Amino acid sequence: EVQLVESGGGLEQPGGALRLSCAASGFTFNRYGMAWVRQAPGKGLEWVSAISGTGDSTYYGDSVKGRFTISRDNSKNTVYLQMNSLRPEDTAVYYCAKDRWARETTVVTPGDWGQGTLITVSS
Amino acid sequence: QAVVTQEPSLTVSPGGTVTLTCGSSTGAVTSGHYPFWFQQRPGQAPRTLIYDTDAKESWTPARFSGSLLGGKAALTLSGAQPEDEAQYHCLLSYSAGRPVFGGGTKLTVL
Repeated sequence: EVQLVESGGGLEQPGGALRLSCAASGFTFNRYGMAWVRQAPGKGLEWVSAISGTGDSTYYGDSVKGRFTISRDNSKNTVYLQMNSLRPEDTAVYYCAKDRWARETTVVTPGDWGQGTLITVSS
Repeated sequence: QAVVTQEPSLTVSPGGTVTLTCGSSTGAVTSGHYPFWFQQRPGQAPRTLIYDTDAKESWTPARFSGSLLGGKAALTLSGAQPEDEAQYHCLLSYSAGRPVFGGGTKLTVL
C-alpha cells in the first residue's frame, strides 16, 4: 500500500522559512516523479513544484520560483520542499503527490496523495 | 497556459444521476488530454478516481464513470450517495505545457 506522510507544517512569519518532508513507502520510490500541490483556503489545487525520480529534473510554479527548492533523498524515500521568503499568500495546505506511472519526468499526474500539511504565514 | 473550466457547484438528489464536466480554453478535450478526476471530501486530501478519461482506480466505486462528452471530459455519478458530497477536481495534460487543474466542482447531495 502506498503511503505518503507529510510533515513540517506550521505557523511562520512573513519572510521566514520552513522545510516540508514527505516520507514515502509502499512503492519503488526512485522510479516515480513526485510533486507538491497546494490548496489555499477555499481555493482550488495549484502546482507548487515537481521532481523526477532521479532528482535530475525539477519544476517550479511561477509563484514560488526562486523562493522554494524541491529535492529528494532516494536512500530515505523522502522528498523535501525548502520554502524561503515566505509570504502570506503561501498560506495553504501542502500535499505531496506521487505520479500515476513509473517514469522519469517532472510532469506528474497524481495517482496517490498524502494527507497534507498546513502552512500558515502570518505575523 | 490553458484554462480548465468546471461547474462551480452542482446538486444531486440521493440516488440520482449527475454529470460534471471539464473543459479547456484551447478547444475540445480529447483522450490526448488524458483527463484525471479527483474527489476531495470535506477536510480530506484529494484522491484519484479516474485517469486517462475513463480508467478507474481500484478504490473507485462502480457508480462513478468517466467519458468525453460534447467536447469536454465528463464524470458521471449514477446513484448518488451521501458520502459522494465532495469537491471534484479535474486535470488535463497538454503536450506543449504542464498539466492544468480545473477550479473544482462542489457537489452537494441533497
